[in-house]
Amino acid sequence: AQRVTQPEKLLSVFKGAPVELKCNYSYSGSPELFWYVQYSRQRLQLLLRHISRESIKGFTADLNKGETSFHLKKPFAQEEDSAMYYCALSLNTGFQKLVFGTGTRLLVSP
Amino acid sequence: DVKVTQSSRYLVKRTGEKVFLECVQDMDHENMFWYRQDPGLGLRLIYFSYDVKMKEKGDIPEGYSVSREKKERFSLILESASTNQTSMYLCASSWDRSSGNTIYFGEGSWLTVV
Repeated sequence: AQRVTQPEKLLSVFKGAPVELKCNYSYSGSPELFWYVQYSRQRLQLLLRHISRESIKGFTADLNKGETSFHLKKPFAQEEDSAMYYCALSLNTGFQKLVFGTGTRLLVSP
Repeated sequence: DVKVTQSSRYLVKRTGEKVFLECVQDMDHENMFWYRQDPGLGLRLIYFSYDVKMKEKGDIPEGYSVSREKKERFSLILESASTNQTSMYLCASSWDRSSGNTIYFGEGSWLTVV
């Protein structure tokens, strides 16, 4: 069955430190993966998707099919990065059905 | 800007009441979704719709139903609310059936069932 695992509920780092939010997936089809972010009192929004191979707000994520992972990384964390981050897997059903992980709260301290 | 609007941000209902959560999108999106968001469980899909009057069950449809009479509006219905349905409910929409398109979320509706 398809599943997305985010092993850390909370990740706490200091400003300027590197950040890696872990995401592993289980899916027999061709995966399409996303990171969504929810800042305090804001709606959930797309951060980045693996097919775009882009860097958004300094964050990058590489799909590793061998390890079935899609970890989110940033070399130098900023306080404004504090938020809830969700990894999501799109099933190839044609309806953009997303399966979400349980989320990781990132807390960046000054 | 795409806008997904959930008309009720905070609701308190009694056990057994019928509850309607309304969602409207203004970008002519074909797909609409209802998720619930719970701490430690992430987002779980309740129902989705890919066209007017069409609906598909998600992962946790029990206790819920939906209605999509117009393209822009997708309603979530709790026929008889129970305390375990206390949660944050998120509506979302996206362009069409092809994968890779962004899903846009509403601000959420906090429902407390007492």
